[in-house]
Parts: sequence; C-alpha cells; structure tokens
Amino acid sequence: DQQVKQNSPSLSVQEGRISILNCDYTNSMFDYFLWYKKYPAEGPTFLISISSIKDKNEDGRFTVFLNKSAKHLSLHIVPSQPGDSAVYFCAASGGQGAQKLVFGQGTRLTINP
Amino acid sequence: DTAVSQTPKYLVTQMGNDKSIKCEQNLGHDTMYWYKQDSKKFLKIMFSYNNKELIINETVPNRFSPKSPDKAHLNLHINSLELGDSAVYFCASSHPYSPLHFGNGTRLTVT
Repeated sequence: DQQVKQNSPSLSVQEGRISILNCDYTNSMFDYFLWYKKYPAEGPTFLISISSIKDKNEDGRFTVFLNKSAKHLSLHIVPSQPGDSAVYFCAASGGQGAQKLVFGQGTRLTINP
Repeated sequence: DTAVSQTPKYLVTQMGNDKSIKCEQNLGHDTMYWYKQDSKKFLKIMFSYNNKELIINETVPNRFSPKSPDKAHLNLHINSLELGDSAVYFCASSHPYSPLHFGNGTRLTVT
C-alpha cells in the first residue's frame, strides 16, 4: 500500500537547466508535504515543504508545487547545479498521523556538466 | 556540532544475536524517531517518542524495542536478529509538526 509514489527512479539533467521531480499521493488526509535530499552514506536532509493551504512554495532555486485535485506535487530546481546530484525523497503527513511521515521511494537526480 | 548522531555506522552480526543502535540529538527536540530503509529504498517509520513517551509504534516485531532514557536519546535494541532485519536504520528528531532532522544511518547486515 504505497501512499506516496515517485514513479521516476532516476532523472538526468544538464547543468543550468531545470530539474523537475514528481510525486503522487493517494491519501486525501495528507495536508503537509516535504522534500528531502539525500547524499550517499548520509541521512536525508530537509529541503522544502508545503502545506495543503498553499499551491506553491519557493526557497531560492527550489520551488514546490502542489495540485491537490490531482494529488500531485513537484519539485523544481532551477538552475540545476552539480551539487544537486542526490536522491530526492517526497514525504507526506496529515490527519491522525500528523507526526508520521510517509516517504516515497526516491528519485536519483544526476546533474551533468 | 553533530545534530543527530547514531552509532555504530556499520553493524555486521550473525542471525540470532542481540544488538543495539544508539541515537543522540543535541537540537533540544522533544520528539525522536526510528525509521527503517529497506532493500527497496523505502523509508518507513518504526517508532516515535515524545518526551520519553512512546507515541507511534508501527507494525514492528516485538524483537525490536526502543528505549528513551531521556528526551535527547532514543536507542533501538533488537533481539534474535533475522536475515530480514538487514537494512539501514535512521534515527531522527524534530519539534512537533516540524521537519525531521535525520542521523546518518546505521547499516545493519545480518549474516
């Protein structure tokens, strides 16, 4: 029962271009969504979040978009830099499980010089 | 100045053994967690403690027992280890309803 899905296991983007990572969810009780970035042999680090009362949140080069009707969120990185190469996890929480984050399986982003 | 630290980083042991993983956070957070990343790379919550009190206990075998001596520490003890317990275990902490801060993980290999 995968409540949060990242259907692209990997993505390769040219340096300087836009990277778009996608995430779908099934649980309509989710009201808080986050993106985490993970380098090898390290723990996930928080990148950006969005609550369900918004449809967009921006922080520097990172923007998260939320489409509640489609139960879809995306992370845009522009411009992409080599240091952005990592695994990106989408996560969601809400309802009775507000303190329980449900993670997607991650998308490996590779930025090519 | 490590925020969430867990030890050991690697743990190799035989089936049937008992092992512990320690976690400490110096962020002043009230809530601590254990997550398991399995072979398919999913991160799944196992336990959550708020101020030393267990608040989330997912469907985890009884062989796994978390212990929180104080709100800065959450240790994970595993009895009678099985092959399927091989995974990366992440400790995390947070203020309520705020993003989690993760440790760097403990890679457990059961042979």
